[in-house]
Amino acid sequence: SSELTQDPAVSVALGQTVRVTCQGDSLRKFYASWYQQKPGQAPILVIYGNNHRPLGISGRFSGSNSGDTASLTITGALAEDEADYYCNSRDTTSNHYVFGGGTLVTVL
Amino acid sequence: QLHLQESGPGLVRPSETLSLTCTVSGAPISDITYFWAWIRQPPGKGLEWVGTIYYTGSTFYNPSVAPRVAMSVDTSKNQFSLNLNSLTAADTAHYFCARHIVVMAATMSYFDSWGQGAQVIVSS
Repeated sequence: SSELTQDPAVSVALGQTVRVTCQGDSLRKFYASWYQQKPGQAPILVIYGNNHRPLGISGRFSGSNSGDTASLTITGALAEDEADYYCNSRDTTSNHYVFGGGTLVTVL
Repeated sequence: QLHLQESGPGLVRPSETLSLTCTVSGAPISDITYFWAWIRQPPGKGLEWVGTIYYTGSTFYNPSVAPRVAMSVDTSKNQFSLNLNSLTAADTAHYFCARHIVVMAATMSYFDSWGQGAQVIVSS
C-alpha cells in the first residue's frame, strides 16, 4: 500500500502565501485532491485533479503536482483559512484510497 | 443541492456490530456517475477512508478493516449503509459519508460532498 506524507503544521502571516505539500509514490500515477477541515466541521473539497477548484472555492486556493509531490497553495491567506488540510489519492496497488496525515495551517 | 445525512447509534459496546446509514437527498444514489463512501476520523486524529460502494453493490474496503466491514446500498430508499463488527475502542471515531467521484480510468478520484458526520463511541 501507499502512504501520503504531510508536514504536521505550517504557519503563514496574514495576507502572505503558504504552500502545503503531500508526498507519495502514488502521486506519480494518480491525481491528488485536497480537503479543508475546520474544528467540529466536516471536510470540504478545495482542490481535485491536482489543480481544479470546485465551484464556490476561493481563487486563493490553487494546486499543483510535480513527480511524487502534490502541493496546495494559499495565496493571500486570510484568518478564515486557518484549518487542517488533508490530501488524498488512490493507492498504487489497488482500488484503495489514502489520506495524508493532515497539515494544520495557522494564520498569524 | 446534494445532502447527505448519517444516522446510527452514538454508543456501541465492544465486540458488537456498528450499523450506520447515510441518507442521500438531491441526487439518485443509482446515478451511474457516482460512487459512495465512508470515511472516519478518530478523536484528535486524521481522516481514514473506510470503503466505497457503487449502486450495483460493488465494494472496495480499506485493508485495515476489510475482514470486519460490509457496505450495502438500498436504491429504493436512496441510502447506503456501513456495518462494522467486532468493535474495539480503536473504532471510536466520527464517521462521515460522502459522494465519491472516480473518473479518468480511476486515476482521478475525490470526495465532493460530505455529511456532517456521526459520532460513534465504543465503550462498555
